[in-house]
Amino acid sequence: EAGVTQFPSHSVIEKGQTVTLRCDPISGHDNLYWYRRVMGKEIKFLLHFVKESKQDESGMPNNRFLAERTGGTYSTLKVQPAELEDSGVYFCASSQEGGLAGGPTDTQYFGPGTRLTVL
Amino acid sequence: AQSVTQLGSHVSVSEGALVLLRCNYSSSVPPYLFWYVQYPNQGLQLLLKYTSAATLVKGINGFEAEFKKSETSFHLTKPSAHMSDAAEYFCAVRRRDAGNMLTFGGGTRLMVKP
Repeated sequence: EAGVTQFPSHSVIEKGQTVTLRCDPISGHDNLYWYRRVMGKEIKFLLHFVKESKQDESGMPNNRFLAERTGGTYSTLKVQPAELEDSGVYFCASSQEGGLAGGPTDTQYFGPGTRLTVL
Repeated sequence: AQSVTQLGSHVSVSEGALVLLRCNYSSSVPPYLFWYVQYPNQGLQLLLKYTSAATLVKGINGFEAEFKKSETSFHLTKPSAHMSDAAEYFCAVRRRDAGNMLTFGGGTRLMVKP
């Protein structure tokens, strides 16, 4: 069974440009999450989809970030326009169980991340 | 609000020595607790999790962790380090009562010396 995949693995862009990150969750997983790790800091939650709906987007830093999950399969995270402080590693994760309070077996499986560098 | 503290951003042990990675959490209600490991160029892999069964949890690759409510701790141990254990380790918590969001500690990079 394929794991969570993310594309691209690395992206280097200039300040002001637009970048779109893609995440393909494990097949059949309704829950999809985005997290980010800025250099030297902890991994932080960005948002959570249940199928195509945004369940929790409390971690999105500002309106330059737009996440979508059309059809409830893969997800994209667009940063427009990118700023220097957006540099970091963006992780995607997926899990099987859904609902507002996931059960104790709701393990989140992570992708390898996309390393974004904004110059 | 929840928070997770991992003492020591870098830990170095000799091959064959005990591995002890510390994790303390702050939460009004004991949360679900997780340890993840990230090997170079790979995603985070779940090592083990505590969900309210036995307080001593065994995970993959010989790791285990003990939930101590009185100390609000969930330290990760392995009796004998192997070179292949060199990686970054993350402690994380998730609330029991609402939401699926994981809150992570800052991570501990484990180095294993031959």
